[in-house]
Amino acid sequence: RKEVEQDPGPFNVPEGATVAFNCTYSNSASQSFFWYRQDCRKEPKLLMSVYSSGNEDGRFTAQLNRASQYISLLIRDSKLSDSATYLCVGDEALGRLYFGRGTQLTVWP
Amino acid sequence: NAGVTQTPKFRILKIGQSMTLQCTQDMNHNYMYWYRQDPGMGLKLIYYSVGAGITDKGEVPNGYNVSRSTTEDFPLRLELAAPSQTSVYFCASSEDSSYNEQFFGPGTRLTVL
Repeated sequence: RKEVEQDPGPFNVPEGATVAFNCTYSNSASQSFFWYRQDCRKEPKLLMSVYSSGNEDGRFTAQLNRASQYISLLIRDSKLSDSATYLCVGDEALGRLYFGRGTQLTVWP
Repeated sequence: NAGVTQTPKFRILKIGQSMTLQCTQDMNHNYMYWYRQDPGMGLKLIYYSVGAGITDKGEVPNGYNVSRSTTEDFPLRLELAAPSQTSVYFCASSEDSSYNEQFFGPGTRLTVL
């Protein structure tokens, strides 16, 4: 069974803080992983793909540890606009995504 | 490009009624997907299609049907609505599978009473 486990939060942090989200996955055969962002009552949007070597996109860093079946997302210098739910996502194959419940982040001034 | 569009935005059904959720994409994507999201939960795959004329079941297909007669359209049919089908339904498309971004429509909020 394909599952992604995430701490639902909420995480409440001040502007400028660094915050880290983690998730674990159960399907060791999954090849691709992603972080999606979902604003309240909106559709999910891709934040970044996750690679074993680790990848960075501006203030965001994602990491995949296949041995531990563990995925992380680090957000540096948090902005008010980062407030959203962050979805940890695996790909079963053929683009069949399976989603975690999401981690809610609120950044306060 | 409009991207992925869905209609209607909202709908209330009575138990036993039927309806079709429409999904259209104008990006010429081969892959299309239907997901449902229950409150506080992650999205679950209902059906998917890898091209016109080809559809297959996802994780939660019971109570739904789909068709893919064109590349652009991927409607989702509910034949006998049940309260358990109250959810937000998202349609998505991607150019290819794996490592390709899925683009989601704005969703349809369905309530079955």
